[in-house]
Amino acid sequence: DAGVIQSPRHEVTEMGQEVTLRCKPISGHNSLFWYRQTMMRGLELLIYFNNNVPIDDSGMPEDRFSAKMPNASFSTLKIQPSEPRDSAVYFCASNVGPGYSPLHFGNGTRLTVT
Amino acid sequence: GQQVMQIPQYQHVQEGEDFTTYCNSSTTLSNIQWYKQRPGGHPVFLIQLVKSGEVKKQKRLTFQFGEAKKNSSLHITATQTTDVGTYFCGSSNTGKLIFGQGTTLQVKP
Repeated sequence: DAGVIQSPRHEVTEMGQEVTLRCKPISGHNSLFWYRQTMMRGLELLIYFNNNVPIDDSGMPEDRFSAKMPNASFSTLKIQPSEPRDSAVYFCASNVGPGYSPLHFGNGTRLTVT
Repeated sequence: GQQVMQIPQYQHVQEGEDFTTYCNSSTTLSNIQWYKQRPGGHPVFLIQLVKSGEVKKQKRLTFQFGEAKKNSSLHITATQTTDVGTYFCGSSNTGKLIFGQGTTLQVKP
């Protein structure tokens, strides 16, 4: 089982640039989650999808952030334009949802915006 | 919205000492999930509790869900250096899992 796959592992970009993070969930999982982790705010849920449909995006910080899930095996999180305060580790996770099943996390993307 | 508060934020123990982290909510929780994140790693699922008063054990780890389903604890007996990491509790409501701030455990050999 390949697990949740995220790319890139590391991204360094300049302020104002567009950043796209990618995620492939575990096959058969129908819920996908994007989290952001920082020292100050811990693990924040940004958005989650069920059956490719965004269910709750109340955690998306502002209009600069957008997420899509065009099919069951791929999702993107885009930041445009990026700012230094967006620097964080972004995790994608999936599970058999909705409900209580455990989340399987990817290895994360460490984003640094200078 | 639903929130879970976790304490303490940090804990330093000597190897062999016990460790406990607590998770609290002002509202009744449908479930509690516990995850461990090693330094530089990603959160990994440990266990889930759903029943009032439920207690589950995994070797040296004991997980408890309060009778009122508003709190939970994770207790590690005789810590080892391999226990180092951040432990998160989380609760899912309407499908989305919200995490506490986590407790970072350091173990001195």
